[in-house]
Amino acid sequence: DGGITQSPKYLFRKEGQNVTLSCEQNLNHDAMYWYRQDPGQGLRLIYYSQIVNDFQKGDIAEGYSVSREKKESFPLTVTSAQKNPTAFYLCASSIEGTGGQPQHFGDGTRLSIL
Amino acid sequence: AQSVTQPDIHITVSEGASLELRCNYSYGATPYLFWYVQSPGQGLQLLLKYFSGDTLVQGIKGFEAEFKRSQSSFNLRKPSVHWSDAAEYFCAVGVPYSGYSTLTFGKGTMLLVSP
Repeated sequence: DGGITQSPKYLFRKEGQNVTLSCEQNLNHDAMYWYRQDPGQGLRLIYYSQIVNDFQKGDIAEGYSVSREKKESFPLTVTSAQKNPTAFYLCASSIEGTGGQPQHFGDGTRLSIL
Repeated sequence: AQSVTQPDIHITVSEGASLELRCNYSYGATPYLFWYVQSPGQGLQLLLKYFSGDTLVQGIKGFEAEFKRSQSSFNLRKPSVHWSDAAEYFCAVGVPYSGYSTLTFGKGTMLLVSP
């Protein structure tokens, strides 16, 4: 079955550490997205990529970085510059990089600070 | 820029009763509209989508939504709620025929189902 795989499901970070969240899709989708979810705040867009080797900042990109070297993969690095990283992170993809197409989501990674 | 408002943060419905979750959007033309559901600790699952045509859209799990242009609304309905419907529901809007692939999500409505 095609889908989006996020790993790990739970991740713990020490102060001052960078951590990388994995997102892989086998849907052959062009576009991929990273969202941060905090209670009562809905989904906030961190970064998105409409095509391989290209990505754009979303609404809350500070303290995060991404790469898109392969169509299937869109890893998110939470850097030490992100002062409040504890949250639920969701990766999504859509078939096209334009036109407001529906997004398909992974099951998320919950990041906590030790 | 487009925006989405879900006026109800929480809604409690008795099992077997009908459900309506409200969604209002702001956009200059007719957008693409979506409803997603999220169970605790899970990702979002697409319930239904409206692109054009018939304003009453059927989705999975017995849900439907009606697009009302005059009210800028896209409310989600279900005639009889089951305990398994307890979850958080998100409305989202997309801009058709544009260079933008991003969706704008509402802040969600938490549905609680009482026995």
